[in-house]
Amino acid sequence: GDSVTQTEGLVTLTEGLPVMLNCTYQTIYSNPFLFWYVQHLNESPRLLLKSFTDNKRTEHQGFHATLHKSSSSFHLQKSSAQLSDSALYYCALLSGSFNKLTFGAGTRLAVCP
Amino acid sequence: EAAVTQSPRNKVAVTGGKVTLSCNQTNNHNNMYWYRQDTGHGLRLIHYSYGAGSTEKGDIPDGYKASRPSQENFSLILELATPSQTSVYFCASGGDRGENNQAPLFGEGTRLSVL
Repeated sequence: GDSVTQTEGLVTLTEGLPVMLNCTYQTIYSNPFLFWYVQHLNESPRLLLKSFTDNKRTEHQGFHATLHKSSSSFHLQKSSAQLSDSALYYCALLSGSFNKLTFGAGTRLAVCP
Repeated sequence: EAAVTQSPRNKVAVTGGKVTLSCNQTNNHNNMYWYRQDTGHGLRLIHYSYGAGSTEKGDIPDGYKASRPSQENFSLILELATPSQTSVYFCASGGDRGENNQAPLFGEGTRLSVL
């Protein structure tokens, strides 16, 4: 079945350093949609980025990601981390004829002064 | 404005009791989803639906049923609640493909405690 892998459970960074959170996926379907969601403490997940176009960079709120179907990857990046970026980040895959939405286990990003 | 509303927001239930969690969306989305969130497990898909009258099993459907009586409403039912079902439950709608390419939108969550 479909799966999403986020290799880091916790990423700790100093403010101002670059952010990269990894996401790879597996699906038998040829037209996956990939998403990044961010969840702050005691809130619900909120969409950060989305993509369904191969090799096209998508950007929002200083974050960016590029869907690479050749490597089944959709890594999240930001050039300079801010304290307010501290949150839980989920990568998600939408695929199949019935649009099943599968999430990775999540990566907690902690940005320190 | 697009919205997903869950009720109740908090629920305390007894072991063996029946619990119904409700979700309503006014976005005219075809797809709706139920997840549970537990520390160390992320968001796990319980059931989902691609339209009124349809329900599909997700990755962890055991112990749960779902009902989609209309486009707007999607319920999650625990017929015999157990303490292992203590969790935070999220409903989402969206992910419909087509010209809108809307990303799924989440409700505010329901915190369920089964004692």
